[in-house]
Amino acid sequence: SQKIEQNSEALNIQEGKTATLTCNYTNYSPAYLQWYRQDPGRGPVFLLLIRENEKEKRKERLKVTFDTTLKQSLFHITASQPADSATYLCALFTGGGNKLTFGTGTQLKVEL
Amino acid sequence: GAVVSQHPSWVICKSGTSVKIECRSLDFQATTMFWYRQFPKQSLMLMATSNEGSKATYEQGVEKDKFLINHASLTLSTLTVTSAHPEDSSFYICSAIPATSGANVLTFGAGSRLTVL
Repeated sequence: SQKIEQNSEALNIQEGKTATLTCNYTNYSPAYLQWYRQDPGRGPVFLLLIRENEKEKRKERLKVTFDTTLKQSLFHITASQPADSATYLCALFTGGGNKLTFGTGTQLKVEL
Repeated sequence: GAVVSQHPSWVICKSGTSVKIECRSLDFQATTMFWYRQFPKQSLMLMATSNEGSKATYEQGVEKDKFLINHASLTLSTLTVTSAHPEDSSFYICSAIPATSGANVLTFGAGSRLTVL
């Protein structure tokens, strides 16, 4: 069956450290993978997209890697801040490429 | 940037009544909108794809007669939860893909919290 799984339900780290979140998928062959951020009681907000031919993508303190052999994407937040605390979701277009399916999500908490 | 507006942001209703949620694209036209549902501590689950001027496409297990979707214009899609019951209580979120987004990046509304008593 097709699955998009993220490494853990919750991740607590100390301010200033690098947070690393994992997204694993099975039985998909996506052309690209997306990461979104969701704050409590709000809709998701797009962060980054990485294509299958890209190994790495950066945006300010964010970095995403994409390994199509391992079927895995890693999402890094460097120099993390309490304001980075949120749920992070990876997502793939599935169903012939016309619907966005989300992973299980990882709740990140950055502590002082 | 592209903005998707949802209304109401929260609603409480009695069991057996119907509730309508509106989703508007404020500064772009959306031929397709997506409706998601999210239960507490869970991820977003796609309910249906709303197509302007035609019938919505529902995901497996979603009752089309219970969750009525109307996409009458290029900027408005509505989701009506008919004969709502407590198990329909959830966070409903709509989204659309602005033409300028490039690689199918979704813009989401802020969500609508439905509580059925």
